[in-house]
Formats: sequence, C-alpha cells, structure tokens
Amino acid sequence: DTEVTQTPKHLVMGMTNKKSLKCEQHMGHRAMYWYKQKAKKPPELMFVYSYEKLSINESVPSRFSPECPNSSLLNLHLHALQPEDSALYLCASSLSDEQFFGPGTRLTVL
Amino acid sequence: GENVEQHPSTLSVQEGDSAVIKCTYSDSASNYFPWYKQELGKRPQLIIDIRSNVGEKKDQRIAVTLNKTAKHFSLHITETQPEDSAVYFCAALYTGNQFYFGTGTSLTVIP
Repeated sequence: DTEVTQTPKHLVMGMTNKKSLKCEQHMGHRAMYWYKQKAKKPPELMFVYSYEKLSINESVPSRFSPECPNSSLLNLHLHALQPEDSALYLCASSLSDEQFFGPGTRLTVL
Repeated sequence: GENVEQHPSTLSVQEGDSAVIKCTYSDSASNYFPWYKQELGKRPQLIIDIRSNVGEKKDQRIAVTLNKTAKHFSLHITETQPEDSAVYFCAALYTGNQFYFGTGTSLTVIP
C-alpha cells in the first residue's frame, strides 16, 4: 500500500456538531501531518505528529483536536466549528523528507 | 516567522514556451525543497524535489535549481503543454518536520 487515504471525502456539519476526520497510511511513515487549505491558497500546517507524539501545533484553535492512536492512523476531531473553518483538510505522511498527501476531506460548516 | 515567498502568482505562456517560477526561503538550515502541482479539486502532487547537496536536478521537461547562498530555488518547465496548467507550490522543510509552502503560482498554458 503506497498511499495515504482519508475519510470522508466530503463532510457537511453544523456549528454544534461533533465529527471526526480520519487518515491512514501503511507505508511505515513516522511523521504525519494535518493541513488546512482554503481555495486558491497554499496548504497551511496545523499539526505534526512524529512517532505518534504531537510535535507541532501551529496555534490551532482548541475546536480542532488531533489524535494519533497508532503509527498508521491520524484523526482530527472537530467540535463547535465556525463557517470560516470550511476548507479542504489534507493529511500527509513522510518517512524522512518526501511528503505524501491524502486526497483530502472537503469540509463545509453551516 | 518562517515563510516561503513565491513569484509570480499567475503566469500565462504559449504552448511550447518555457515557464519559470521562483521561491525564496528564510531558514538557512532548510535542506529539502519540493515542488507540488495541484489541479482543481485534487491533492498536491510532488513533481520534483531537490536537496541542499545539489544545485540542479532535472526530470524530462522539469528542472529545479537551488542557490543555497541566496536562499532561493526555481522551477523550470520547458516545452509546456496544456496539461501543465495547474497551481504550483514550492515548499521548504524547516527544522522539526515543518513544511512551509509558498503562496502558489497559477500557470495557464495557452494552446
């Protein structure tokens, strides 16, 4: 398996909902990332996990909560989001430096 | 803070001409510089990368050059084709597995 997968592909949620985004890779990569990407903008780093430990949190609001249950899985728990949080959420993983992206989850917050 | 500057933001070229996109980074410790192509609604895809121990790398119609002293690197696409039309992002790997992306270049190749 040589790719990063993400579910769901699309998600629509209200501001009071709680939902989770999932990311999976079976390439033995030890670093995993969450990015947020708005239309026509570059991916914006949110979190970095290295060896299942959170190593970087780029001042992300607490309504986004990452979790790394094991070396292959990365979750992003969402709660009380705002409409401006609507974006493409990309997961990525890397072994050393080369980074592989998942297809993303298109999130719409109503 | 750390950032990567990218120019131009938009670029239109005639089919068959060359396209050049330039990026500048700030962390002198950076040693890995990938370029991504992103088509509408799709994930960024790595098209070429360069590490700091080389000054140039080429893969068919695509090449990347790196000037570590000046802290800038460039993407060169020769013999452009309509399917090269996309948004291109440069990136730099900073300390601690942190990737920072340039602001993107929207490339249009006119048939």
